[in-house]
Amino acid sequence: AQSVTQLGSHVSVSEGALVLLRCNYSSSVPPYLFWYVQYPNQGLQLLLKYTSAATLVKGINGFEAEFKKSETSFHLTKPSAHMSDAAEYFCAVASGGSYIPTFGRGTSLIVHP
Amino acid sequence: NAGVTQTPKFQVLKTGQSMTLQCAQDMNHEYMSWYRQDPGMGLRLIHYSVGAGITDQGEVPNGYNVSRSTTEDFPLRLLSAAPSQTSVYFCASRRTGQGENEKLFFGSGTQLSVL
Repeated sequence: AQSVTQLGSHVSVSEGALVLLRCNYSSSVPPYLFWYVQYPNQGLQLLLKYTSAATLVKGINGFEAEFKKSETSFHLTKPSAHMSDAAEYFCAVASGGSYIPTFGRGTSLIVHP
Repeated sequence: NAGVTQTPKFQVLKTGQSMTLQCAQDMNHEYMSWYRQDPGMGLRLIHYSVGAGITDQGEVPNGYNVSRSTTEDFPLRLLSAAPSQTSVYFCASRRTGQGENEKLFFGSGTQLSVL
């Protein structure tokens, strides 16, 4: 069984501040982990993914995430928020030979000028 | 290369009406899936397919039917629309050759309202 918990349905930051979006997963086998972003009125697109090659994963638009097995976490960070980062962010896990990823409920990132 | 194409973008139905949401991809992806997105609920899987002629149920399949006669197309049918089916629907596809670490490609969504 696999599941994902995203802590905080909304995160608000000021432009230039650190962005931290939290994701914890549950999986009985080593997982593959993903972060997707959804801009208003669009479909989801991949930000980054963890596939066991490296625990620190760099993605597009300056985002990165660190896989911490001991904490079962895959938090998404960006050192300095930009107004264009305002979007919905989804964490997802896939494991156990299943083709089917499980998504978290999403976190809406709000960026204030 | 158009990616994943969904039609229509918007639809309003009356309770009890039927309709088909279309999804097509031109990437030769074997895996295709339908999600619904509701506020505070994230993405919930409705049905999925791992190849032509093969479909299976996801987390919330009731009230929806699918078929997969070709690799390219994966239509979602609402047999008798209900207000609870008001949602935004996304189609997504991916390759299967590399396993679970393949990313999903999403369509731009269909916003459905059932009155």
